[in-house]
Amino acid sequence: KAGVTQTPRYLIKTRGQQVTLSCSPISGHRSVSWYQQTPGQGLQFLFEYFSETQRNKGNFPGRFSGRQFSNSRSEMNVSTLELGDSALYLCASRGLRGQANTEAFFGQGTRLTVV
Amino acid sequence: AQSVTQLDSQVPVFEEAPVELRCNYSSSVSVYLFWYVQYPNQGLQLLLKYLSGSTLVKGINGFEAEFNKSQTSFHLRKPSVHISDTAEYFCAVSDPPDRGSTLGRLYFGRGTQLTVWP
Repeated sequence: KAGVTQTPRYLIKTRGQQVTLSCSPISGHRSVSWYQQTPGQGLQFLFEYFSETQRNKGNFPGRFSGRQFSNSRSEMNVSTLELGDSALYLCASRGLRGQANTEAFFGQGTRLTVV
Repeated sequence: AQSVTQLDSQVPVFEEAPVELRCNYSSSVSVYLFWYVQYPNQGLQLLLKYLSGSTLVKGINGFEAEFNKSQTSFHLRKPSVHISDTAEYFCAVSDPPDRGSTLGRLYFGRGTQLTVWP
């Protein structure tokens, strides 16, 4: 079974630009979450999508947005990039059996550098 | 909101020595508990999880953890470490499904860098 795939692995953008990151979850998984990892703040939750609906959102400005498609693939977008947005962005997928909460499987991440 | 405290940011240890990485969480109600490992420039890999049942949980690579409800702790242990265990380790908690509004969200500690020396 293929794991969680994130593209691209590395990205360099200029301040003020926007960026879109992609995540393909494990086949059959319908829940996708996004996390930002920085040395200063650690791992912080951005949002979670399930069946194309945002179920939960972390404490990030509106410049951070996401969506999920009918095939469960997800994208996150950051507009008007700031230097502080430089981070490793991790995507995680989960399979939900009824209401059972299963573990999250993480992708390798996208390393975003804003210059 | 949940909070997770990993008491040591760095743990150096010699190869074949035992190690314990400490984790405490804030909730007084039931939670799910996880330990993840991260190697450089990689994502997170699940080591083990506690959902319910036996308080001693065994995971991959010889790691185990003990859930202590009264002390709200979930310490990770390994009796004999290898150089290949050098990595960053993250403790995480999430709410069980009956608190569905936050279903799936993981709250992470700040991580413990384990360095194994030869």
